[in-house]
Amino acid sequence: GQNIDQPTEMTATEGAIVQINCTYQTSGFNGLFWYQQHAGEAPTFLSYNVLDGLEEKGRFSSFLSRSKGYSYLLLKELQMKDSASYLCAVVDSNYQLIWGAGTKLIIKP
Amino acid sequence: NAGVTQTPKFRILKIGQSMTLQCTQDMNHNYMYWYRQDPGMGLKLIYYSVGAGITDKGEVPNGYNVSRSTTEDFPLRLELAAPSQTSVYFCASSYSAENQPQHFGDGTRLSIL
Repeated sequence: GQNIDQPTEMTATEGAIVQINCTYQTSGFNGLFWYQQHAGEAPTFLSYNVLDGLEEKGRFSSFLSRSKGYSYLLLKELQMKDSASYLCAVVDSNYQLIWGAGTKLIIKP
Repeated sequence: NAGVTQTPKFRILKIGQSMTLQCTQDMNHNYMYWYRQDPGMGLKLIYYSVGAGITDKGEVPNGYNVSRSTTEDFPLRLELAAPSQTSVYFCASSYSAENQPQHFGDGTRLSIL
């Protein structure tokens, strides 16, 4: 079967750094997406990785290791507005997105 | 800058009723998707379409039907509503299935009582 694992919930402090991990076991791999979803809203695109390594985009960075089936999303200089769920999704061999359940990130002052 | 538009935003149905969730996009995307999201769960793909006139089943298609007569519109039909279909439904579209992000509508919150 296909499986994507993310921690259910994480807590961090405003101004700090947090790393959200995602491990996957899928039938094929054609890329990995990270989305942000605020409560009661739609997911919005954050990043895409298809090659190993780190992709940096402002305060957010995403890392991929295809050999380990592992990715992480790194959020720096946390702000209260970063309180949201973060969804990891893998493009499988049929070019369909397989979604993780998401990690709820709580930011405390 | 409409993007993906879903209607209605909220709906309460009685068991056995039928309804259509509307979805339209103005980005000329070929790929469109319907997902459901239950509390604490990931998005589950119901149906998808790779272009006008072409649709295919996703992971959880039972109890739903779709059509794609135009590039812009991708309605989702519930024929006999059941309590298990209580969920938040998201429509999304993308330029391609490979490396382009999906753009989501605001969702339809559906309760079956």
